[in-house]
Amino acid sequence: GAGVSQSPSNKVTEKGKDVELRCDPISGHTALYWYRQSLGQGLEFLIYFQGNSAPDKSGLPSDRFSAERTGGSVSTLTIQRTQQEDSAVYLCASSPRSLNTGELFFGEGSRLTVL
Amino acid sequence: GESVGLHLPTLSVQEGDNSIINCAYSNSASDYFIWYKQESGKGPQFIIDIRSNMDKRQGQRVTVLLNKTVKHLSLQIAATQPGDSAVYFCAENHTGGFKTIFGAGTRLFVKA
Repeated sequence: GAGVSQSPSNKVTEKGKDVELRCDPISGHTALYWYRQSLGQGLEFLIYFQGNSAPDKSGLPSDRFSAERTGGSVSTLTIQRTQQEDSAVYLCASSPRSLNTGELFFGEGSRLTVL
Repeated sequence: GESVGLHLPTLSVQEGDNSIINCAYSNSASDYFIWYKQESGKGPQFIIDIRSNMDKRQGQRVTVLLNKTVKHLSLQIAATQPGDSAVYFCAENHTGGFKTIFGAGTRLFVKA
């Protein structure tokens, strides 16, 4: 299918290690979002990319978190020196429009477990 | 701060009955209100949205109602089916902005 693709689907790491999570949005979608979902909770906004504009990083919880989007397509979310509280499902979404009317297309997420 | 909250964390309904999931929001400036459905192990899936200048919008078996006076949003599912069992999130955002704010979610159980 041509949906949002995320990898890895599951990642188990040790506290203090760095992890990279990848998102491949739907082709042609200019907007890309990262959210974090803790167990049984709602979605916490992390970062947003729109075209070639500077990303809005206002949701990143600490400077251990960073994200890039290369060539306006694939995005990588990096978490440095992981902590147990970073354990969550990291969801990526894309949208075809710069004005977000609400319809985001989500991937199935990357489940991160920090031991 | 801005928040979107839900009245009930779980809802159990009999198959064939109608379901009503409620949501309260706090930001009067939001332009769009959205409902998403999330099945276990999957990402949220868009169901329906409604603009802030509307009171009601209908889709296939679903109706969203918006009451701006009391800042209340609801999702009605007609003739609930087992496949409707999932977590439902309400969310809001601003046209021209980007940040979609999600609530904590309501888990819907459909009993056969």
